[in-house]
Order: sequence, then structure tokens, then C-alpha cells
Amino acid sequence: QSVLTQPPSASGTPGQRVTISCSGSSSNIGSNPVNWYQQLPGTAPKILISTNNQRPSGVPDRVSGSKSGTSASLVISGLQSEDEADYYCAAWDDSLKGGVFGGGTKLTVL
Amino acid sequence: QVQLVESGGGVVQPGKSLRLSCAASGFSFNNYAMHWVRQAPGRGLEWVSGISYDGDKDYYRDSVKGRFTISRDNSKSTLHLQMSRLRVEDTAVYYCAREEDDFWSGYPYYWGQGTLVTVSS
Repeated sequence: QSVLTQPPSASGTPGQRVTISCSGSSSNIGSNPVNWYQQLPGTAPKILISTNNQRPSGVPDRVSGSKSGTSASLVISGLQSEDEADYYCAAWDDSLKGGVFGGGTKLTVL
Repeated sequence: QVQLVESGGGVVQPGKSLRLSCAASGFSFNNYAMHWVRQAPGRGLEWVSGISYDGDKDYYRDSVKGRFTISRDNSKSTLHLQMSRLRVEDTAVYYCAREEDDFWSGYPYYWGQGTLVTVSS
């Protein structure tokens, strides 16, 4: 059971907009920045969104992140086949004094 | 560019020990906090441990406290994870990761390619 809660799967057709949610608590998302990672099959994770809504260089602007209270969201617009991957949210937890991840969301492009 | 290369993985029996290393290059290692994150086969990511830039502070997930020790050698730009009393459930790919900025944020930014640890009799 992960500390942060994500839907196990999401899907969309090319060109569509997909939202992946991440729910936490006051000790993690409510107090600290949220980060999102993309993991393509067979590869190491890669930072997709840092500090709630910052896109590292190379990440297209059709990818965005937001946070409100103890929840966060990742939005991918103009869905492409290359977006098919696993997505994880993460944050620091002040009570656990450790990092916490969501269980991951498998995004399928139909 | 930032490079993180893990080594030391392998097959080990339950109850035994293993030491992972992560060789860092392309940045001033002694300025950045570092983390270990693992991923069991077919499962999600799990944060394991983190250490401050100077090694003064370290943090662990509950399931590894007292068994794993994170350390760093800033003179050699190397991060370590000493794992003892290994359990079958420690089987995973272990990733070394660096934080984004030169102050503690508590999250990995740059990732290595990982090293596989298999705990099996």
C-alpha cells in the first residue's frame, strides 16, 4: 500500500488530454513539493515535473503539473504514442522523515 | 553532464550482506544530497534512503532501518549503500539518484541506470 494514491491505469487516444491524480496527506503533499516521473518500459525513471509544476528542459509544454492542498495532478495534452509509460508521483513526508511514492499509473495510448 | 553509475548488485542468500556503489561524474558531488530508490520486479518505485551533501544527515525507510547504511565518499565522488541481513523482499533494481539543487529537497532528480540485487537461497 503506497502512501500516495494514484489510479493504477489511465488511457486515451492520440491527441486526447489525460489527467493522472495523486492523493496524499498534510505531512507529504500538503507540506512539500510534488514531483512526477516517467518510466518507459525497461528504462530508469526520468523526472517529468519537479516542484509541483516545473518542466525540466526537454519536457514538452503539453505536459503540466499542479497541486492543491493534499492532491496533485499531471496533465498530458495532445497524447502521443511515445507517452505510453508508467508515471509516478513523489514527495517528501515530514512525519515519516522519508520519501514517498505513488503506486504508479500505467498510461496506455489506444 | 550528470552521470551516475551503480555497481555491486548480484545474487545473495537471505541473511547475507552486499554493498552497492554509485560513481558520480559531471558535477560537484560534494554539493548535492543523494538518494537510493528501488524497484522490485514488476512493482513500483520505493524510496530507500537519502543522505545530505556532507553526510551529516541520513534517512531510511522503516523496513530497512537498522539493516542498511547509506554513506558517501566526497573525495571519490562515490555513494554507497551497505545492505546487511538481506531478505527476499529486498530483491529489486536499486537506483542511485541526485537531487536537483544544492540544498536539501528530499526528492531524486537525476537517476542512474540501476543495479539488480537478487536475494535468494
